[in-house]
Amino acid sequence: AQSVTQLGSHVSVSEGALVLLRCNYSSSVPPYLFWYVQYPNQGLQLLLKYTSAATLVKGINGFEAEFKKSETSFHLTKPSAHMSDAAEYFCAVLTQGGSEKLVFGKGTKLTVNP
Amino acid sequence: DAGVTQSPTHLIKTRGQQVTLRCSPKSGHDTVSWYQQALGQGPQFIFQYYEEEERQRGNFPDRFSGHQFPNYSSELNVNALLLGDSALYLCASSFGDARGGYGYTFGSGTRLTVV
Repeated sequence: AQSVTQLGSHVSVSEGALVLLRCNYSSSVPPYLFWYVQYPNQGLQLLLKYTSAATLVKGINGFEAEFKKSETSFHLTKPSAHMSDAAEYFCAVLTQGGSEKLVFGKGTKLTVNP
Repeated sequence: DAGVTQSPTHLIKTRGQQVTLRCSPKSGHDTVSWYQQALGQGPQFIFQYYEEEERQRGNFPDRFSGHQFPNYSSELNVNALLLGDSALYLCASSFGDARGGYGYTFGSGTRLTVV
C-alpha cells in the first residue's frame, strides 16, 4: 500500500530563512506525489505535484520539491520564508491500481517568526 | 469559474442525530471524493462517487453513506453521530485520470461538531 510520512509535526523558521518540510513515501510503483497547503479554517490548496516528469517540481508561491527515488523522499522547500507562508502543509500520494485516491500524511505546521 | 462548494460551513449536532453534508463539484468535474479531517490530523479518505455510484470506500463504518446526483453534486450522510465524528469534512472533485494532471480541487469544508 502506498503511504507518506511527514517528519516533524511542527517547524518554526524566521522570516527570510529557508523552509524545508520533509516527506518520505512508500510505494511499490512510481508514485504520484502532491503537496497541499491549508490555511486556518480553510480547505486544501494544491502547491505542486510530481507526475514522473521532471524530478524538480516548481509550485506556487515560490515553493518547489525534489523527487529523490534513492531516498524515497519528496521534500518541500522555499528559499526565503514569508509571514504569509504560516500554515499547515500536507504531503500526499495518489494510490494506483484501480480507482485513485489521495493518501495524506499527518501534516506539518509551519510557523514563521518575524 | 466556481470551484468546489460545500454547505453548510459549520454545523453543531447532538450525539445520536443524523447529518447531511452537501458538495457541488467544480464545473466540468464528474467525480466527488469525501475526506474526514480530525483536529491535528491529515485528511482520511471516506469514499468516492462516480456516475452516481460509490466507486471505492475507505475504512469507515456503514454509518457513513453517500449519494451522487445526475448533476454530479454529492451528499455525505452520517447516522447515529458519535463525539468522534467531530471533524472537518472535505469534498474534492476531479475529472478523468488524476495522474494525467487534472488533479483534485478541494472545497473549504464543513466543520461538524458533535456535542
